[in-house]
Amino acid sequence: EAQVTQNPRYLITVTGKKLTVTCSQNMNHEYMSWYRQDPGLGLRQIYYSMNVEVTDKGDVPEGYKVSRKEKRNFPLILESPSPNQTSLYFCASSLRGRGTQHFGDGTRLSIL
Amino acid sequence: LAKTTQPISMDSYEGQEVNITCSHNNIATNDYITWYQQFPSQGPRFIIQGYKTKVTNEVASLFIPADRKSSTLSLPRVSLSDTAVYYCLVGELQGGKLIFGQGTELSVKP
Repeated sequence: EAQVTQNPRYLITVTGKKLTVTCSQNMNHEYMSWYRQDPGLGLRQIYYSMNVEVTDKGDVPEGYKVSRKEKRNFPLILESPSPNQTSLYFCASSLRGRGTQHFGDGTRLSIL
Repeated sequence: LAKTTQPISMDSYEGQEVNITCSHNNIATNDYITWYQQFPSQGPRFIIQGYKTKVTNEVASLFIPADRKSSTLSLPRVSLSDTAVYYCLVGELQGGKLIFGQGTELSVKP
């Protein structure tokens, strides 16, 4: 089954403790992206990757890192999480660029 | 990326046709128009995409006038399960940055 898989689905952690949210897709898509969603602010893009080893900033990249060492995986790294990064995060992929985006089920992060 | 403007919210009743309009005055020649649907706590789901005139699939129609400065998503005979947020996006398919905007919160009542 074609899918985008995010892990973990839920995480409660503390300020400053490094964490990684994994994202994996099995559709051989070139494009992958991370979003955060907050009440009243809609979906905002954090980072995107047009292909392996190519990443670029979205609208809200501060406090986040990404890497794209292989096509199927696009982890989101919070090196020193802070409470303002408490949010619902989505990973998405598409065959290329802004084509049809396939989204994961989301990761709800709470940073205390 | 072209800026889009949609109504913040809309109400409808079961069985009615719902039309959600998106304004994109600065749309560029190579831009496509794409609509997504999102249920609470789920990732958005692709609904329909078009470049000009009319596109129809099994769930919706997309109407795009000749000047392409706006588009209308049409949902025929909505049901309670169509209650969701609908996003209009405009951009080249080859591009990387995506802006979802606020979306339109559709509420379908019995």
